[in-house]
Amino acid sequence: SQTIHQWPATLVQPVGSPLSLECTVEGTSNPNLYWYRQAAGRGLQLLFYSVGIGQISSEVPQNLSASRPQDRQFILSSKKLLLSDSGFYLCAWSDSPKKRGAYGNEQFFGPGTRLTVL
Amino acid sequence: RKEVEQDPGPFNVPEGATVAFNCTYSNSASQSFFWYRQDCRKEPKLLMSVYSSGNEDGRFTAQLNRASQYISLLIRDSKLSDSATYLCVVNPGNNAGNMLTFGGGTRLMVKP
Repeated sequence: SQTIHQWPATLVQPVGSPLSLECTVEGTSNPNLYWYRQAAGRGLQLLFYSVGIGQISSEVPQNLSASRPQDRQFILSSKKLLLSDSGFYLCAWSDSPKKRGAYGNEQFFGPGTRLTVL
Repeated sequence: RKEVEQDPGPFNVPEGATVAFNCTYSNSASQSFFWYRQDCRKEPKLLMSVYSSGNEDGRFTAQLNRASQYISLLIRDSKLSDSATYLCVVNPGNNAGNMLTFGGGTRLMVKP
């Protein structure tokens, strides 16, 4: 069965510090990968998605970046955190439409990282 | 107009009650539909997919009306453990990125 891991679970960082959040998926190959952010009491905001190694699409311009160095590894980074970067960061995976032969697949979420920027 | 609209609630119901949530979506070409459940400070979890013919999973029943672009979730015999936020989710189905569009969620609180 497939599992998705995220770490760390919680993080408190000062404004201006760098950030690196990691996500890994097990039990599948060539997944689509996603980074979302959820501010307190708000809905999910898609930040980045990736359909393959080294392929990153950004949905929202911001001071964050993403990388996919390996098939099942997705990293979210920032060089200098802002107060507004605080939130709940969720990684998700789905089968690619190519793999399932169909569009419209569900996504599965990791446990998330709760980031507080002070 | 939001792409996926839900009543944010909260819906406060007693244990054992039947409660229904509705959701409307704007993209008539949408292909796939889901309900996710999100507990406080946790990740969303897939509750069920929604099929045109309607589908049932235990106490949960989902319905899709493509003509009206309307999705519903019915919960029978509510349990305290059903308290959560329920997210209506739509997949346009025509993109290689397989991106989902999330509603803002409907909060359910089941009281003893």
